[in-house]
Amino acid sequence: GNSVTQMEGPVTLSEEAFLTINCTYTATGYPSLFWYVQYPGEGLQLLLKATKADDKGSNKGFEATYRKETTSFHLEKGSVQVSDSAVYFCALGRQNFVFGPGTRLSVLP
Amino acid sequence: EAQVTQNPRYLITVTGKKLTVTCSQNMNHEYMSWYRQDPGLGLRQIYYSMNVEVTDKGDVPEGYKVSRKEKRNFPLILESPSPNQTSLYFCASGPRGNEKLFFGSGTQLSVL
Repeated sequence: GNSVTQMEGPVTLSEEAFLTINCTYTATGYPSLFWYVQYPGEGLQLLLKATKADDKGSNKGFEATYRKETTSFHLEKGSVQVSDSAVYFCALGRQNFVFGPGTRLSVLP
Repeated sequence: EAQVTQNPRYLITVTGKKLTVTCSQNMNHEYMSWYRQDPGLGLRQIYYSMNVEVTDKGDVPEGYKVSRKEKRNFPLILESPSPNQTSLYFCASGPRGNEKLFFGSGTQLSVL
């Protein structure tokens, strides 16, 4: 079946550091790929998405590229802020959504 | 305003007392889903629905029931809650199962 694997963290960075959170997937066919973010005490909200191979999703300085050859969708940001502290979930959508376990990010001032 | 509404936000109950958590969306979405979130276990899917009268089990369906009689509503039913169902529950909806999901604010359930 479809599945998503991501680094579980926690990840702790200093402000302005570079961020990478790895995500790989297993799926039949051609799923859409997503990154969701959950801030403390809130529900999940969409951060970015890509619907086909080589698409790059971007939002709020975050980027991820749909790599079919490596079945990956790694999340990157060049300079993190304290306000980016949250839990990040990689997900794939085919007929049903599948989420990764989430990666907790803490950014220190 | 487009939204997914869950109720209640917090619920404390006792073992064996049937309860229902409601979920309603106003976006005419076909796809709806329930998840539970537990520390260290991420987000696990309980049930999902591709359309009215169509429901399927997710990863952890035991002890839960759902129904999808109308497009907008997807209630989660615990017939006989047990303490291991203490968790944070999220409802979500989307146009289809491969498009953006909209999440509710969550229901924190405690079963004593």
